[in-house]
This record gives sequence, structure tokens and C-alpha cells, in this order.
Amino acid sequence: GENVEQHPSTLSVQEGDSAVIKCTYSDSASNYFPWYKQELGKGPQLIIDIRSNVGEKKDQRIAVTLNKTAKHFSLHITETQPEDSAVYFCAATRPQDDMRFGAGTRLTVKP
Amino acid sequence: GAGVSQSPRYKVAKRGQDVALRCDPISGHVSLFWYQQALGQGPEFLTYFQNEAQLDKSGLPSDRFFAERPEGSVSTLKIQRTQQEDSAVYLCASSFRQGGDMNTEAFFGQGTRLTVV
Repeated sequence: GENVEQHPSTLSVQEGDSAVIKCTYSDSASNYFPWYKQELGKGPQLIIDIRSNVGEKKDQRIAVTLNKTAKHFSLHITETQPEDSAVYFCAATRPQDDMRFGAGTRLTVKP
Repeated sequence: GAGVSQSPRYKVAKRGQDVALRCDPISGHVSLFWYQQALGQGPEFLTYFQNEAQLDKSGLPSDRFFAERPEGSVSTLKIQRTQQEDSAVYLCASSFRQGGDMNTEAFFGQGTRLTVV
């Protein structure tokens, strides 16, 4: 089955700096890659996603890049704010299949 | 409702007790997923439904775990003879899943935190 690895496990940045989280996946059939943000006591919330026919996608301060050849994808957050502090999860999905998650990255943005 | 609803939010069970966790997906969503999330870990896949059909249950950790979705809407995850290692947050997610090879965005509920004592 699909195996997703995520790095780093913790990340601390100063407010206004950029944050980058990286994930790799194992199954070349995976074609959908969502990123979720999870705050304490809440369920994961989708923040951005990318499909395998696209190399990059941006939404305001958040961007995701995908390299299908290398089977890795990354989340980029620019101009970080304290409210960006949370745990972020990447996931990979094969067609008609469930999502497999990475282990998560705890992001702390220091004011 | 507007989102995925799970109940109860918290459940404390004595070891050996049976529990049932409920998930109300977003209306019209075909696909429904259950995940188990241990403290400090990512969600681990348990099982997946497309309408009432359980297409994949490979993530269920033992035969004490059972899930159903009899009418293709509400789903129940049942754990029999609970053990301490079952303590975790159980997350439910649903997606529209139009079919073919296109996956669609999945929405999560807030989860049920199960503590087995």
C-alpha cells in the first residue's frame, strides 16, 4: 500500500518567516495530495490540495509543489503568523482509494 | 448539518466494555472513511465505504473492530471488549467522490476521543 513520510516532525519559525514541510510517497499511482491543518481538539481541516496533473498551486500565503518523478510534494507558508501554529499533515491518495497520511509536523510561529 | 458530525465527542469505557461511535457525513457524500489517531500521530486508516458498501477494511486492527453504514449515510464504528490500546481519537471523514479516477476533497469531523480505563 501507499506509504507517506513527512519531515520535519517539528518546526519553529519567527513570525514573518517562511515555513516549508516536505513529504514523499511510495506509490506512483497516487494522484491527489491534500494538506490538512489540525488545531488542538479539532479534526483536520483541508488547507490546500494538488492533483498529479499540476506542478504547483498557490492560495494566498500557502503554496504546494509536486514532483511526480521524485514522488515528493511540499507545503510552503510565507509570511507566517502566530495563528498558523498547528499540526500539519500531508496525505496521498490513489484513485478510488482512501487517504494515507504522514506523521505530521508541529509548526510553532513565535511572535 | 453543514459538516461531518461525530458523537459522542468523548467516551470513557471500562476495559472489556463495548462502545459504538457514530458519524453523520455531509449529506450527499458517497464516500466515508474512519481513521484512528493516537496522541501525537497522524491519522491511521481503518476502513472505507462507498455508499453502503465497505470497500476496504484492511486497517481495522482486530476482529473486535466492526464498522457499518447500512443505508449509505450514517456510519457506526463498534469496538467490542475494549482494551487500553484502543484509546485514541477516532476520526470520520466524508467526500463527494464522483467516481472514475478523480478523488475529491474529504471533510473531517471533530472526532471522538475514546479513553479505555
